Amino acid sequence: QVTLRESGPALGKPTQALTLTCTFSGFSLDTSGMSVSWIRQPPGKALEWLARIDWDDDKYYNTALKTRLTISKDTSKNQVVLTLTDVHPVDTGNYYCARTQRSLYGEYLMDVWGKGTTFTVSS
Amino acid sequence: SSELTQDPAVSVALGQTVTITCQGDSLRNYYTSWYQQHPGQAPVLVTYGKNDRPSGIPDRFSGSSSGNTASLTITGAQAEDGAVYYCYSRDNSGNHWMFGGGTTLTVL
Repeated sequence: QVTLRESGPALGKPTQALTLTCTFSGFSLDTSGMSVSWIRQPPGKALEWLARIDWDDDKYYNTALKTRLTISKDTSKNQVVLTLTDVHPVDTGNYYCARTQRSLYGEYLMDVWGKGTTFTVSS
Repeated sequence: SSELTQDPAVSVALGQTVTITCQGDSLRNYYTSWYQQHPGQAPVLVTYGKNDRPSGIPDRFSGSSSGNTASLTITGAQAEDGAVYYCYSRDNSGNHWMFGGGTTLTVL
């Protein structure tokens, strides 16, 4: 059974950095074609793709947030870490991680999601 | 610019067919996948590729694409299909990914 769980602080202050950890089981990031993605959702708003890290350590970032985001993996711990620097109230929302697999069509499919973790930025 | 545009809201009568669309220049070159999200829950992948579904997704959900428009069709909508649907694909560069703004489907 594949599961993912996001963890991180519930609250942060403006200009601080947010570090989120995705701990997963049931698959390995050593497997060819496997990836983990991060997605966020402000309250009442649409999903926003943030970043993805592939099995071969290739990394991809949301263009608008690229200078603030860092994604990394620890395969031995089955964890993926996302850091977002210089947070502000607009960064408030639910943050999800998702197992991502490359399809035959070249798509990257987020087929299993964690339940998400809520992060609020407030002074 | 690279973006995916969806109608904010669509409604359908119970048992009828509804199509949700997603428009974007990049869709001429890349496949679209569709995600369903019920309130308070994580999204679920419903269709991808030419017209594929993950196991467990009912066959009343189908995907298609033509030109710069991708479509999700629900044939015989059920009450439980009321949710927000998001399209997802690459941007024009091919190295970044994005969601559409979401379509809230109401089943009447």
